[in-house]
Amino acid sequence: QVQLVESGGGVVQPGRSLRLSCAASGFTFSDFGMHWVRQAPGKGLEWVAVIWHDGIIKYYGDSVKGRFTISRDNSKKMLHLQMNSLRAEDTAVYYCVRGGVRGVIQFFDYWGQGTLVTVSS
Amino acid sequence: IVMTQSPATLSVSPGERVTLSCRASQSVSSTLAWYQQIPGQAPRLLIYGASTRATGVPARFSGSGSGTEFTLTISSLQSEDFAVYYCQQYNNWPPITFGQGTRLESK
Repeated sequence: QVQLVESGGGVVQPGRSLRLSCAASGFTFSDFGMHWVRQAPGKGLEWVAVIWHDGIIKYYGDSVKGRFTISRDNSKKMLHLQMNSLRAEDTAVYYCVRGGVRGVIQFFDYWGQGTLVTVSS
Repeated sequence: IVMTQSPATLSVSPGERVTLSCRASQSVSSTLAWYQQIPGQAPRLLIYGASTRATGVPARFSGSGSGTEFTLTISSLQSEDFAVYYCQQYNNWPPITFGQGTRLESK
């Protein structure tokens, strides 16, 4: 069965960096686009970034553009999110989410359990 | 594209028919999904393509609409359906956008 397991969350000071990872299993990872979606405490869902199945094309939400970098290692079935210059407003649960096959942008059929990032001094 | 859900909170009882609304600021055709989020859990896909139930989703959940107006209906609310429901458009991106959510609470 499809599994997405995030790791790397924790407490970090404003301005510092953190790297999230997501281990995928149960499907052909290299065939699917992958996304990060976040949810601030008590708030709604916010799309963060997407990476194409081959890792070549990437898009970001305006609130993280220039600070966050999404990447993947298809040989290891891993998705990453490098978060730099973190701000208090980046505090959220970050979900690893499966997207569509190859270049298709579509609904999100599988979600990880999420990893909490807290940005605080 | 801004997605607006109404109402923000709905007080309902088990067995009731429930209708949730989602409006897009411009047409998204039928590229609209609904998710259910139970507190402490990740969102779960319910509906995609505006009206297609995801695998394993009970038949009491149905979706309708196209363009800018969409509806999620729960025909007879069960106790396990108390949750927050989000709509999402995936037609015009980036960004992919979600509504702010509708919370179903017990009356």
